[in-house]
Amino acid sequence: DADVTQTPRNRITKTGKRIMLECSQTKGHDRMYWYRQDPGLGLRLIYYSFDVKDINKGEISDGYSVSRQAQAKFSLSLESAIPNQTALYFCATSDSGGTDTQYFGPGTRLTVL
Amino acid sequence: AQSVTQLGSHVSVSEGALVLLRCNYSSSVPPYLFWYVQYPNQGLQLLLKYTSAATLVKGINGFEAEFKKSETSFHLTKPSAHMSDAAEYFCAVSHSSASKIIFGSGTRLSIRP
Repeated sequence: DADVTQTPRNRITKTGKRIMLECSQTKGHDRMYWYRQDPGLGLRLIYYSFDVKDINKGEISDGYSVSRQAQAKFSLSLESAIPNQTALYFCATSDSGGTDTQYFGPGTRLTVL
Repeated sequence: AQSVTQLGSHVSVSEGALVLLRCNYSSSVPPYLFWYVQYPNQGLQLLLKYTSAATLVKGINGFEAEFKKSETSFHLTKPSAHMSDAAEYFCAVSHSSASKIIFGSGTRLSIRP
């Protein structure tokens, strides 16, 4: 079984809809991250969490919110989706510091029409 | 502030030829440097990591990278390309007290038969 899972893997939605992307991990890591990937822009950090009670904004948090329901679960929400949020979204985990290896989920491809 | 620049968004080499993917970094403190690989329809996985030990770092699948402080570079090489190396490669930078890592924009590697 995969260590980091994301659901759904693909989603098509309409402008204005609320969307939730879910991430679960079995690695026992404290730190979890949400990134979006756009062609030519690499990965950009949306939010990250060091533990259940800790949530931090990344470089592109506007229009997104997150919830850390448990050590193993970290959800990303788009309250009112817009077309420029069409992207590939990745969840990742790491054991502790920023210098540790990050382990990525398989990604969620989101299309907002 | 830290940043990383990958020179060339797309590199194409013949099977059996040398692979060279370029990465330059900017950091005011000693950096930790990473190369991640993303195969089609998958998440990123760690290829290799420099954490201030040996300057020549060997990774998986025959890849290696050399940390050159004087040139602020961390280029990725492989002596002989294989068709299975076709993927997108990301360079990333962090430091010992950082809470997150910064990714470059990625280089897509294509292998010609």
